[in-house]
Amino acid sequence: SSELTQDPAVSVALGQTVRITCQGDSLRDYYANWYQQKPGQTPVLVIYRENNRPSGIPDRFSGSRSVNTASLTITATQAEDEADYYCDSRDNSGYRHFGSGTKVTVL
Amino acid sequence: QLQLQESGPGLVKPSETLSLTCTVSGDSIRSTIYYWAWIRQPPGKGLEWIGRIYYSGNTYYNPSLKSRVTMSADTSKNQFSLKLSSVTAADTALYYCASEAVPGTYFDYWGQGTLVSVSS
Repeated sequence: SSELTQDPAVSVALGQTVRITCQGDSLRDYYANWYQQKPGQTPVLVIYRENNRPSGIPDRFSGSRSVNTASLTITATQAEDEADYYCDSRDNSGYRHFGSGTKVTVL
Repeated sequence: QLQLQESGPGLVKPSETLSLTCTVSGDSIRSTIYYWAWIRQPPGKGLEWIGRIYYSGNTYYNPSLKSRVTMSADTSKNQFSLKLSSVTAADTALYYCASEAVPGTYFDYWGQGTLVSVSS
């Protein structure tokens, strides 16, 4: 299956570390990317090809993968990191798929 | 740096065809390092990939929408377009155009999005 599964919501205390996961069979073969979307805003790429940060993305954002699960980790979480986070990858046919999204709440 | 801007009607009647255009600035859509993609987001829901087009005209469509989707590119205007036929209320969404780094790896630049409502 090319479906990507994410937990609907997660909360984290200010300054602590949070890990968001994305699970799917396609992740065994293809990289995941991660996008941050704040309310009313356009998605922003925060991690690409599993563990690369675009220019301008703080180094508290990092990515990793284990078997069929990709993870986005935010260390020393800031209030401005409160957002929805979506993973994305491709399948064997080259079609793209997004995860269902995880809402991160900073307490 | 790429900039993308969607344009088109904000209201479409059921059973009609939704038509949107994305104008690209900062690079040519003939660039060999990008695909040009459409992504949508129903209100309060997640992201859905609609499809992509390469400057040569090659297209890939989401299988779930393939029968209703047509994408095209106008290199003279540096634009690419989306047509979605036989729309229903389920097609109401914020429609984004985006660049997709070749070879189909990630979406790096996005337009601001345009809300299209399907209603009579």
